Amino acid sequence: GAGVSQTPSNKVTEKGKYVELRCDPISGHTALYWYRQSLGQGPEFLIYFQGTGAADDSGLPNDRFFAVRPEGSVSTLKIQRTERGDSAMYLCASSLTHGTSSEQFFGPGTRLTVL
Amino acid sequence: AQSVTQLDSQVPVFEEAPVELRCNYSSSVSVYLFWYVQYPNQGLQLLLKYLSGSTLVKGINGFEAEFNKSQTSFHLRKPSVHISDTAEYFCAVSGAGTALIFGKGTTLSVSS
Repeated sequence: GAGVSQTPSNKVTEKGKYVELRCDPISGHTALYWYRQSLGQGPEFLIYFQGTGAADDSGLPNDRFFAVRPEGSVSTLKIQRTERGDSAMYLCASSLTHGTSSEQFFGPGTRLTVL
Repeated sequence: AQSVTQLDSQVPVFEEAPVELRCNYSSSVSVYLFWYVQYPNQGLQLLLKYLSGSTLVKGINGFEAEFNKSQTSFHLRKPSVHISDTAEYFCAVSGAGTALIFGKGTTLSVSS
């Protein structure tokens, strides 16, 4: 079956603009995670959803970042007033349920470049 | 707080040689440990995980790792690597119900 997909694969924007990054999880997976991976670093947790609700958003760096999952499937990560420091690979993962025994399946990522 | 240290940023090896990628963690609670691989232009893929039980864990593609609680390590090994093993490898830790905390990654470069 289809894996986790993310669109767009690449996004180039100008400083100060608003961007939306989309994640389509594996069908039936209730948990969805967003990570950010800067160059030369490992992925850093941003937020995770259990169903439609954000169960843990402690990794969001500031209030310019926001994510939604209105129907418990597709999720959108929204970044307002982008800054050059937001440039990174944004990864999405989904798992059947939340918990260490439930494997997270990762998408290929969206590479965001803020000029 | 939990953290992961991958001791080598780059590991060059020749094909068919053995390899060990080192990972140390710190945590004040019980931990669960993972190794992920990221091939060029692909998403992260789980290689193996330690949740409990036997400290020697076998994963996909001939990789294995050993959980050593006294040394707080979870090193990844393969007895004979292939060109196709060239990739970025990430060690990660989590507690019960918490998010994955990743190391900075180790680039494994296999040459002929």
